[in-house]
Amino acid sequence: GQNIDQPTEMTATEGAIVQINCTYQTSGFNGLFWYQQHAGEAPTFLSYNVLDGLEEKGRFSSFLSRSKGYSYLLLKELQMKDSASYLCAFAYNFNKFYFGSGTKLNVKP
Amino acid sequence: KAGVTQTPRYLIKTRGQQVTLSCSPISGHRSVSWYQQTPGQGLQFLFEYFSETQRNKGNFPGRFSGRQFSNSRSEMNVSTLELGDSALYLCASSWEGATGGNGYTFGSGTRLTVV
Repeated sequence: GQNIDQPTEMTATEGAIVQINCTYQTSGFNGLFWYQQHAGEAPTFLSYNVLDGLEEKGRFSSFLSRSKGYSYLLLKELQMKDSASYLCAFAYNFNKFYFGSGTKLNVKP
Repeated sequence: KAGVTQTPRYLIKTRGQQVTLSCSPISGHRSVSWYQQTPGQGLQFLFEYFSETQRNKGNFPGRFSGRQFSNSRSEMNVSTLELGDSALYLCASSWEGATGGNGYTFGSGTRLTVV
């Protein structure tokens, strides 16, 4: 089966940079996705990697290394509103996704 | 453009009862997937429907079932409810497979509490 590991919780300071790691033991997936989920709300799509390398979208970047079984989400210039859970997920054929348990990020002033 | 709509938002049921949840995808999206989210297990894939056919299935017991209608609206049903079925049930729609790059758009979920 899929083994997806993320840190349970992280704390960072407003204005700082934080890196949320996702390691996995799976193969054959189509893409790796990162979602943000605020408490009590639906997950929202942040970023997507198909090939190895870095994808940048404003303050958010995501990196994938298939050979190392490793991905990370980088958040720059942290804002209080970035306090949320961040989920990494693997997508297989026809919209079958496997999600990690998520990392709860606490941003402090 | 309307998002993914799930009804009802909240539901309280008694053990042994059955429940039906509804999901209306974004217009034009033909794929609808269902997930169960609990604090302990995170987001777990239930099943995915595309053009009225179940295309993918997760590892849940047969008490969990679903269907999709010709207008792409989907329902999921849970029979003989157990306390452990208390969770947030999320549906997500997509206009193509995951390789499309946009992933899913999730609805706000139905919070089911079994007492």
